[in-house]
Amino acid sequence: DGGITQSPKYLFRKEGQNVTLSCEQNLNHDAMYWYRQDPGQGLRLIYYSQIVNDFQKGDIAEGYSVSREKKESFPLTVTSAQKNPTAFYLCASAGLTDTQYFGPGTRLTVL
Amino acid sequence: AQSVTQLDSHASVSEGTPVLLRCNYSSSYSPSLFWYVQHPNKGLQLLLKYTSAATLVKGINGFEAEFKKSETSFHLTKPSAHMSDAAEYFCVVRGNNRLAFGKGNQVVVIP
Repeated sequence: DGGITQSPKYLFRKEGQNVTLSCEQNLNHDAMYWYRQDPGQGLRLIYYSQIVNDFQKGDIAEGYSVSREKKESFPLTVTSAQKNPTAFYLCASAGLTDTQYFGPGTRLTVL
Repeated sequence: AQSVTQLDSHASVSEGTPVLLRCNYSSSYSPSLFWYVQHPNKGLQLLLKYTSAATLVKGINGFEAEFKKSETSFHLTKPSAHMSDAAEYFCVVRGNNRLAFGKGNQVVVIP
């Protein structure tokens, strides 16, 4: 987990609310990623950013939004349009090599 | 597009016996391949990485994997399982600046 922090560890959301998950890294990495993990499905890419002020949709971007205003930060907003947001969310970053390093994750539960 | 198949979604091994987790990949390019481990409610930790330097790759905690291009395989092994190896293991292939994850192997270690 070293160098990448995610907060909060657990998050509860009421239906219809937007929530924002934080991801910060001090590894000086250019690229950052958000994944969603559901039991038995591996990890699926939501959004990624290879440079500040730029980001691309991944495979399951609908109902999510991101921003990349600073190199160290890549927050993910889960909007009310996301129909089934309960999942484990993982943030990762990568530098000059193609190795991604992961944060500890945020578990989001919709009440 | 890149993809990964992990057989045996669940595996039980006795402490002190060998561990074998199988992974087959599909890639249009000369692949970068990874194995990650995830303990419950934690982020993913890199075990090892193949990037064409050597076909037998040694990783942390006594794990190793062998890249076999003719079989499109990258199986993970460990000679002797330890209780702390109980976790979920993901085989991953990189392509187009993105990672494709297998669905994971849940490993149980029996004392």
